[in-house]
Amino acid sequence: RKEVEQDPGPFNVPEGATVAFNCTYSNSASQSFFWYRQDCRKEPKLLMSVYSSGNEDGRFTAQLNRASQYISLLIRDSKLSDSATYLCVVNMRDSNYQLIWGAGTKLIIKP
Amino acid sequence: DAGVIQSPRHEVTEMGQEVTLRCKPISGHDYLFWYRQTMMRGLELLIYFNNNVPIDDSGMPEDRFSAKMPNASFSTLKIQPSEPRDSAVYFCASSTKFSPRTGHSTDTQYFGPGTRLTVL
Repeated sequence: RKEVEQDPGPFNVPEGATVAFNCTYSNSASQSFFWYRQDCRKEPKLLMSVYSSGNEDGRFTAQLNRASQYISLLIRDSKLSDSATYLCVVNMRDSNYQLIWGAGTKLIIKP
Repeated sequence: DAGVIQSPRHEVTEMGQEVTLRCKPISGHDYLFWYRQTMMRGLELLIYFNNNVPIDDSGMPEDRFSAKMPNASFSTLKIQPSEPRDSAVYFCASSTKFSPRTGHSTDTQYFGPGTRLTVL
């Protein structure tokens, strides 16, 4: 089993719809969690940190479920510009880094 | 503010040649990371530095790969000799554990635009 797993997709979603995808992690000692977005042939960019209490930024909501060991990303009212690959990353350490990246979920928003 | 700067943006070389990739992190960041990304293996962390010191190089594939950080504003990743299977996009990223701007701890990594390496 991979340490961090994501459904590779692609998720084909009509514009305006709501879409959600998860990322599971195997190490219960994982400390911090993030969602990054990567456009085609570009570098990854931070989308959101994922806090224990969950967090929301506009149309995007991220949640952490430690009991079931997964994080989720919800996108409401999806836009064409949301088309990208969404990468989750888990840091195993608090004082330093031990980063495990998921392979990414590809999202395609269709008009 | 200038982001992470990488050079060259594209590199095409022949098998057996030495390749040197360069990175300038964001000023004030004390962590620097080198990643490799391929379709088959995704994003892989190769090595990272803290205050110019290598902390974890367990992701470096083999002895043909080496990385240095002689000062806080410059790092290199060298492949010698290069092989076709080294073809990938190599990203450099930097971060800091503490953001002086927000006063909060942060793990945000800022990536450079990457170097697309093709080894023929």
